[in-house]
Amino acid sequence: DIQMTQSPYSLSASVGDRVTVTCRTSQNIVKYLNWYQQKPGKAPKLLIYGASSLQSGVPSRFSGSGSGTDFTLTISGLQPEDFATYYCQQSYSMPRTFGQGTKLELK
Amino acid sequence: EVQLVESGGRLVQPGGSLRLSCGASGFIFSNFHMNWVRQAPGKGLEWLSYISGNGVTIYYADSMKGRITISRDNAKNSLYLQIDSLRAADTAVYYCVREGRDWSSDHWGQGTLVIVSS
Repeated sequence: DIQMTQSPYSLSASVGDRVTVTCRTSQNIVKYLNWYQQKPGKAPKLLIYGASSLQSGVPSRFSGSGSGTDFTLTISGLQPEDFATYYCQQSYSMPRTFGQGTKLELK
Repeated sequence: EVQLVESGGRLVQPGGSLRLSCGASGFIFSNFHMNWVRQAPGKGLEWLSYISGNGVTIYYADSMKGRITISRDNAKNSLYLQIDSLRAADTAVYYCVREGRDWSSDHWGQGTLVIVSS
């Protein structure tokens, strides 16, 4: 199974900040890395697929980069609605695996 | 509009069984692979199972193998998950998830809550 190491576990930031979340995989997954946002009591929402493709309807302040084993989610210019938990997931092989999540909190 | 609506979650005693359902609408169901993902209270996301659009290819998480069965009825636009020998650790919200581009999980249902307790 492909292991996912997501960091940091939690992050404090202010509105307007630029933040970065990283995800490292135990094997080369080429570009098959996805990012999700989850708010309390809600289902996760796809933000980025294929490492860097923005899902339709997602604001352009969200971006993804990376390939192989190292990937990054960047939020440029945090908005109040961005405070949530973020997960990475690999879709290169079965079983699908998720990172442990990054909780983004208001400083 | 794509919609996925899960049902079937409830309070069940340890050792019991449950069948979760997911009704799909707004897209050609048979064209899409589907998954079940769960989330225990206060915990992260755990992938459980995958089924291809035609129902031929199926995968299960090792942790659940032998206790769960995924199936689909394309004529009814429905996805199912049978869970047997339920234990307290199975308490979670269970999500029905569609696979989209690059096999990402592009649409999620609202989830159905399963509570295993005596």
